[in-house]
Amino acid sequence: RKEVEQDPGPFNVPEGATVAFNCTYSNSASQSFFWYRQDCRKEPKLLMSVYSSGNEDGRFTAQLNRASQYISLLIRDSKLSDSATYLCVVNQAGTALIFGKGTTLSVSS
Amino acid sequence: NAGVTQTPKFQVLKTGQSMTLQCAQDMNHNSMYWYRQDPGMGLRLIYYSASEGTTDKGEVPNGYNVSRLNKREFSLRLESAAPSQTSVYFCASSRLAGRSSYNEQFFGPGTRLTVL
Repeated sequence: RKEVEQDPGPFNVPEGATVAFNCTYSNSASQSFFWYRQDCRKEPKLLMSVYSSGNEDGRFTAQLNRASQYISLLIRDSKLSDSATYLCVVNQAGTALIFGKGTTLSVSS
Repeated sequence: NAGVTQTPKFQVLKTGQSMTLQCAQDMNHNSMYWYRQDPGMGLRLIYYSASEGTTDKGEVPNGYNVSRLNKREFSLRLESAAPSQTSVYFCASSRLAGRSSYNEQFFGPGTRLTVL
C-alpha cells in the first residue's frame, strides 16, 4: 500500500461546482497534514494545513479523520483559477513530508 | 525577499557528465530539501538537511550527493548523470524540521534536467 494515496483524476467540473478530493495515508503515526497546490510546470505551494477539528479557508474546507486515516479537501463555488493539481501531504515522525501523487482539477466555463 | 532560488532553470547533460544544482533561501530557515518530480511518481525526497552541518538520505538518494554549504545554501550534485535522472528537481526549505507548526515547506521554481 502506498503511503499517501489520492485519486489522480482528472476532475473536470464547471465553474460554480463543488468538488471534493480524498486522500488516505497508511502510517497511523502521522502527525500533521497539508494540502499543497501545484500549477502546471510550477512549484508546489501550501494551500492549507489540515487540523483535527477540520478547518475552513474561504471556499476551501479540509477535514481529517484519524480513525480512518483519511483526509479530504472540499472546494465550493469552483473558479477557473482553481484549475491545478492538489497534493495531499503527510508529515510522519521525523523530518520528511510524504507527498501524494496529486489530483488534477480542471474547471471550465 | 526572493524566497527559494534555484539555478539553473534548465539543463541538458550527456550520460556520464557531472553537474551541481544550486539552491539558496533567504528566509533564515534551518531545514532544506531536494526533491525530484517525475510524471506519475509525485514528489520524492532525495536528500535533506535538518540543520546547518547535517544531511540525511531521503527516499531516492542513489546517484546524488549534497552539500549544506551554509545556512542559506544547499547544493545537489550528480557525479555521473544517467538518463534515469531526467526529471524536474525542486529545492525546498522550512523553518524547522519535524514540528508540524513550522513544517510548511517553501519551494524553489525547479530545475528541468534532461540527460541524453
